[in-house]
Amino acid sequence: NAGVMQNPRHLVRRRGQEARLRCSPMKGHSHVYWYRQLPEEGLKFMVYLQKENIIDESGMPKERFSAEFPKEGPSILRIQQVVRGDSAAYFCASKDSTAMNTEAFFGQGTRLTVV
Amino acid sequence: AQKITQTQPGMFVQEKEAVTLDCTYDTSDQSYGLFWYKQPSSGEMIFLIYQGSYDEQNATEGRYSLNFQKARKSANLVISASQLGDSAMYFCAMREEPNQGGKLIFGQGTELSVKP
Repeated sequence: NAGVMQNPRHLVRRRGQEARLRCSPMKGHSHVYWYRQLPEEGLKFMVYLQKENIIDESGMPKERFSAEFPKEGPSILRIQQVVRGDSAAYFCASKDSTAMNTEAFFGQGTRLTVV
Repeated sequence: AQKITQTQPGMFVQEKEAVTLDCTYDTSDQSYGLFWYKQPSSGEMIFLIYQGSYDEQNATEGRYSLNFQKARKSANLVISASQLGDSAMYFCAMREEPNQGGKLIFGQGTELSVKP
């Protein structure tokens, strides 16, 4: 059973370009979470999705950021017109339920560098 | 207000000794879960241990144990018999009521260095 797969592992974008980060959850997991980790900081929640639905996007910046989790295929975090401040590690996590005691399994992250 | 506080930015411990990493939390919910994750220099997030707010016993997983003091709202991680491979960042996290979707709130982390 493969773990949470994120790609690419490293992504370099010039200011103003678009960044697309992909996350394939663990098999059987229908709950996906995206987190952002700025340098020297802890992870900050961005968005929680179930298949075809955004459940909680309270941590998403209001502009340029969007996320989806289609019926088929991976979850995508999209950042339009990237700026230097978007440089961070972006982690995806998945769970099979919202039960309190179930752990979230994390992917290895995508490290975005904006030059 | 900070929900999860880790007051130790960095800690040193001698190999084979025990070390305690501090974590305090703030919530008004009665039902919540507390987690510890390890992040080595390679960057991945590794789940270590979980404590539920209604669990009466402290959680243990191998060399990891969680010193849960509910009245003090603290959930310190204890690593016994430290190994060189324990050198990493350690994050405490909390999950509040399920109807909030199960998202995790993380602390700032503690960088642990194990000395040979």
